[in-house]
Amino acid sequence: DVVLTQSPLSLPVTLGQPASISCRSSQTLVYNDGNTYLNWFQQRPGQSPRRLIYKVSKRDSGVPDRFSGSGSGTDFTLKISRVEAEDVGVYYCMQGTHWPLSFGQGTRLEIK
Amino acid sequence: QVLLQESGPGLVKPSETLSLTCSVSGGSISTFYWSWIRQSPGKGLEWLGYIYYTGSTNYNPSLKSRVSMSVDTSKDQFSLELSSVTAADTAVYYCARGTWFGEFDFWGQGTLVTVSS
Repeated sequence: DVVLTQSPLSLPVTLGQPASISCRSSQTLVYNDGNTYLNWFQQRPGQSPRRLIYKVSKRDSGVPDRFSGSGSGTDFTLKISRVEAEDVGVYYCMQGTHWPLSFGQGTRLEIK
Repeated sequence: QVLLQESGPGLVKPSETLSLTCSVSGGSISTFYWSWIRQSPGKGLEWLGYIYYTGSTNYNPSLKSRVSMSVDTSKDQFSLELSSVTAADTAVYYCARGTWFGEFDFWGQGTLVTVSS
């Protein structure tokens, strides 16, 4: 099975400052069709997860442009250019290239 | 706007079968792949499997033969059954819409299922 390892697991950030979360895969996430099925989800306290990014860098409708995804192969990053209070929560990467589908262990973002 | 709503018992006894249904509104169930994902208390997310509207399924091998999913296109609903449950199956269970590659774009609010006698 593919293991996704996120770092850091806890991320205290000052409002207005940037934040970055790493997701490393135990196998390449490039599929036979040339796409890379790596997603990022945000789970705010008490809410269901919400997809932010799919196929590494495609931002979902309604997601602020301060969120961006990048990476290739086995190394991926979610960046928030300027953290706002509403960004507090847990962020998960998730891969859909290999079965079974799997999630990273989550990164908890908090405001300093 | 697609809405998903989980329903089912919140308490299941050990060794019994957990049964949940997800009702889909605002879009047809006859496209996309429909998944069940769970989150144990204080832990991360685990994909349990998905079903296509044709009834084709793909399950997480970690659940071995305990999991079964079904779909009722006439009611725009799909269901989960997890047999021989233990306390380790206590979790919030989510249903979600996605593709063959996951990409879950709509989620239900989740329902807490506790396994206890």
